[in-house]
Amino acid sequence: GAGVSQTPSNKVTEKGKYVELRCDPISGHTALYWYRQSLGQGPEFLIYFQGTGAADDSGLPNDRFFAVRPEGSVSTLKIQRTERGDSAVYLCASSLIWGPYNEQFFGPGTRLTVL
Amino acid sequence: AQSVTQLDSQVPVFEEAPVELRCNYSSSVSVYLFWYVQYPNQGLQLLLKYLSGSTLVESINGFEAEFNKSQTSFHLRKPSVHISDTAEYFCAVTEGGGSQGNLIFGKGTKLSVKP
Repeated sequence: GAGVSQTPSNKVTEKGKYVELRCDPISGHTALYWYRQSLGQGPEFLIYFQGTGAADDSGLPNDRFFAVRPEGSVSTLKIQRTERGDSAVYLCASSLIWGPYNEQFFGPGTRLTVL
Repeated sequence: AQSVTQLDSQVPVFEEAPVELRCNYSSSVSVYLFWYVQYPNQGLQLLLKYLSGSTLVESINGFEAEFNKSQTSFHLRKPSVHISDTAEYFCAVTEGGGSQGNLIFGKGTKLSVKP
């Protein structure tokens, strides 16, 4: 079975532009997480989905960031009016069910560069 | 608030030498503890985890970690490292007590094994 996939692997955009980052979780995994990893830092939590709904979006830095998971599988992270500080690797992870003890499987990430 | 501290950003060692990667956490509630590894040009992979029971946990490739509640530590050790262990290692925690399981990561430790 395929692991978590993320597209694109690299995205270069200009300041002020809109971007979408896609995550395909492992088939059958109900929980999906987005993290952001800045240079020299560990991943930081952004948002969590249980099924189709965002159960916790407390990690989103501001209202320019939004994520959806309309059918409970693929998720898209959307960033409006990008800023240079948004440059980072965006990681997606999925787990079979929600909960603090379940293994999360990570995708390879999307490296976003805002010029 | 929860936090994870990895004091060593880089650890260079020679092949077949022992290594310890340090991890301390702070939390006011019970936690679950994880070590993730990121090999060059690959995504994060779970190395080992502590959920409950024996405080010493092991991975399939010879790493072990011990949960020390009194010292709030979860240090990672290997008695004899190989070149192939060169990677970045991240310590992470999740909260118990019904949280959805988003991981709180340390900043990572880059292990460089030299011949």
